[in-house]
Amino acid sequence: GAVVSQHPSRVICKSGTSVKIECRSLDFQATTMFWYRQFPKQSLMLMATSNEGSKATYEQGVEKDKFLINHASLTLSTLTVTSAHPEDSSFYICSARDYRAGNEKLFFGSGTQLSVL
Amino acid sequence: EDKVVQSPLSLVVHEGDTVTLNCSYEVTNFRSLLWYKQEKKAPTFLFMLTSSGIEKKSGRLSSILDKKELFSILNITATQTGDSAVYLCAVTFSGNTPLVFGKGTRLSVIA
Repeated sequence: GAVVSQHPSRVICKSGTSVKIECRSLDFQATTMFWYRQFPKQSLMLMATSNEGSKATYEQGVEKDKFLINHASLTLSTLTVTSAHPEDSSFYICSARDYRAGNEKLFFGSGTQLSVL
Repeated sequence: EDKVVQSPLSLVVHEGDTVTLNCSYEVTNFRSLLWYKQEKKAPTFLFMLTSSGIEKKSGRLSSILDKKELFSILNITATQTGDSAVYLCAVTFSGNTPLVFGKGTRLSVIA
């Protein structure tokens, strides 16, 4: 099945630093990837839709200057949390849809646990 | 506003019990409903349902969709401790749009 790779799996950083999270589709091309955030014991909340070669679409309440998304190729999207603060500590998950052979399932990366001290 | 509602929010059962998890939705341009299991990390795919009344089955898990009443159920028979997880229901729409997730049902299976 389709594979989505996300790196790193865990990050601990100081307040004020920036953190980059990578999401790769390993065996298919993903023109669109989705970034979700999940707080403890809560569901996945969509942050933004990453479009290859164009600007990302952010959900209401998500600061685009704080969560920079770049989708420079058909297999890679990156999320950069700029000037991270403790309230940004969360589990971040990327996902992509594999449309080959009519497959519309959404596949997830393994997630990144961000802890900002 | 599109809504996906799961119930119950949490459930504790003993090994061997059968459980039924519920997911109802109110959305426009419905395309399919998906069930995921989430343990410690990212969700893993269980089922995708697009047609009413057709049961999908995988081992002890099964699921069915009712597009008239706008709900789906996920059944787990002969539960095991390894079934303990959060089960997420999500809905997709026409076009390349993201999933909308329910809040999930946290299932705990105790020995």
